[in-house]
Amino acid sequence: KQEVTQIPAALSVPEGENLVLNCSFTDSAIYNLQWFRQDPGKGLTSLLLIQSSQREQTSGRLNASLDKSSGRSTLYIAASQPGDSATYLCAILNTGFQKLVFGTGTRLLVSP
Amino acid sequence: KAGVTQTPRYLIKTRGQQVTLSCSPISGHRSVSWYQQTPGQGLQFLFEYFSETQRNKGNFPGRFSGRQFSNSRSEMNVSTLELGDSALYLCASARVVGETQYFGPGTRLLVL
Repeated sequence: KQEVTQIPAALSVPEGENLVLNCSFTDSAIYNLQWFRQDPGKGLTSLLLIQSSQREQTSGRLNASLDKSSGRSTLYIAASQPGDSATYLCAILNTGFQKLVFGTGTRLLVSP
Repeated sequence: KAGVTQTPRYLIKTRGQQVTLSCSPISGHRSVSWYQQTPGQGLQFLFEYFSETQRNKGNFPGRFSGRQFSNSRSEMNVSTLELGDSALYLCASARVVGETQYFGPGTRLLVL
């Protein structure tokens, strides 16, 4: 059974800092991994999707990496802004299944 | 291109009642998934539909059911509501499973 863990659970940084969010998973038989952000009371916004065969994906100030052998993914946010404040979730789509397994999330607060 | 829409956005029901939630996927998307989000359990998979067929179901009691129509719109139904069913119910659509999933804003259900 796939288990997904995100550390830290909460993070508070001043504006302008570069930061890294971590996601760990127990089963390396993944199809892809997706990073989302969720604003309070809202739905999820897709940020990046990394296929199993890929090592990283980039979009603007965001860079996500994937290391299947160690069961880890990281989301790197460059030059953080107050608008980046949200909960960040990673989700795994396992090979052979049709459901996403979500991590517990990291709540990020970027202060001006 | 319009995003995933969910109706209603908010619902208040009493124990024992039943409720039906609706999800309209992005045009051209044939895969629709449903998730329940609670503070204690996080995001949990309910079921996934593709071309009107339920392909996968999460670990929820039979009170939770769903269906998908020929236009890919989906509904989920919860019968005999319990207090613990209070949650944010999220719908996600994808062109096919394995591609980026796009989430709607959710329906917040409160059971009194």
